Amino acid sequence: DVKVTQSSRYLVKRTGEKVFLECVQDMDHENMFWYRQDPGLGLRLIYFSYDVKMKEKGDIPEGYSVSREKKERFSLILESASTNQTSMYLCASSSRQGLFQPQHFGDGTRLSIL
Amino acid sequence: GENVEQHPSTLSVQEGDSAVIKCTYSDSASNYFPWYKQELGKGPQLIIDIRSNVGEKKDQRIAVTLNKTAKHFSLHITETQPEDSAVYFCAATAQKLVFGQGTRLTINP
Repeated sequence: DVKVTQSSRYLVKRTGEKVFLECVQDMDHENMFWYRQDPGLGLRLIYFSYDVKMKEKGDIPEGYSVSREKKERFSLILESASTNQTSMYLCASSSRQGLFQPQHFGDGTRLSIL
Repeated sequence: GENVEQHPSTLSVQEGDSAVIKCTYSDSASNYFPWYKQELGKGPQLIIDIRSNVGEKKDQRIAVTLNKTAKHFSLHITETQPEDSAVYFCAATAQKLVFGQGTRLTINP
């Protein structure tokens, strides 16, 4: 089974802090994704990566950056956390093989910015 | 870009009855339509998907239908059980997955 592991289930940070959310997958997947989940808005794509050191902006990249130094690890960075970034963050991965490969999700990090 | 609308936002059915969740999409180029189930405290998990060259797909109690002309697709769950209670998301993609807003399904015993 594919396993996507997010380093923290719950995280509390202060406004202005630099925040790192870590995600690791164990299936040698090429593609990795970061979403945020808010009630009534579904899942919105922040950033994604199709290969090591490669990144693409999603639909809501403002205030975030990412890093993919190794194939299995994809980090989401909040450069200067703000209260409107309080949310559930979900990481996902998928294989590049074929056009329509399902995304496998981690269990999420619930981030609170005070 | 793609826009996906999902209805209803909440759905409550009696155990054993059927549940239907509907989604519409805007981009006619979308050609892959997965459905995800999210249980409390867990990440979304793929339960069924359909590609644009197929009109219907079934997996035990779960079925998905796709109408490309009308740009809508639906999830059907028959003989519902308490463990079907969860939040369900539809999604559509031509290049990137775009998710619906989610439906909270509650099965009443």
